[in-house]
Amino acid sequence: KAGVTQTPRYLIKTRGQQVTLSCSPISGHRSVSWYQQTPGQGLQFLFEYFSETQRNKGNFPGRFSGRQFSNSRSEMNVSTLELGDSALYLCASSQNPGQGHGYTFGSGTRLTVV
Amino acid sequence: AQSVTQLGSHVSVSEGALVLLRCNYSSSVPPYLFWYVQYPNQGLQLLLKYTTGATLVKGINGFEAEFKKSETSFHLTKPSAHMSDAAEYFCAVSTNFGNEKLTFGTGTRLTIIP
Repeated sequence: KAGVTQTPRYLIKTRGQQVTLSCSPISGHRSVSWYQQTPGQGLQFLFEYFSETQRNKGNFPGRFSGRQFSNSRSEMNVSTLELGDSALYLCASSQNPGQGHGYTFGSGTRLTVV
Repeated sequence: AQSVTQLGSHVSVSEGALVLLRCNYSSSVPPYLFWYVQYPNQGLQLLLKYTTGATLVKGINGFEAEFKKSETSFHLTKPSAHMSDAAEYFCAVSTNFGNEKLTFGTGTRLTIIP
């Protein structure tokens, strides 16, 4: 069974640009969550999608957005990039987190903003 | 709201010694509890989880954790440390009450001394 696939693995962008990250969940998993990991703030929840609907959202500015497609694949977008957006962005998928199913994480996309 | 406290941002143990990583949680509703491991430049790998039932949970790589409701703890242990256990470990909590996002602790970096 293929794991959670995130593309690209590494990305370098300039301040003010926008970026789109992609996540393909495990087949059959309908929930996709996104997390930001930085040395200073640790792992912070961005948002969660279930069957194309955003169910939960973390405390991030509106520059951070996401969506989920009918095949459960998800994308997140960050507009007007700031230096502080440099981080490892992790995607996780789950069959149904509300029933205690575990979350499987991808290897992440490391975004560097210069 | 949930929260997680991991005591000790760095723990060093000798190869073959007991590994004990501490995790205390706060949750107003019954929690789901998880331990994840992260190796350098990789995503998070699920070690074990507690949802309901038996309070002693066994995971991969010889790790186990015990859910103690009275102490609001979910400490991770391994009887005998191996060099390959060197990594960062994260404790996380979620619930099944409409807010299934993972809330992570700040992590504990485990170093194994040869």
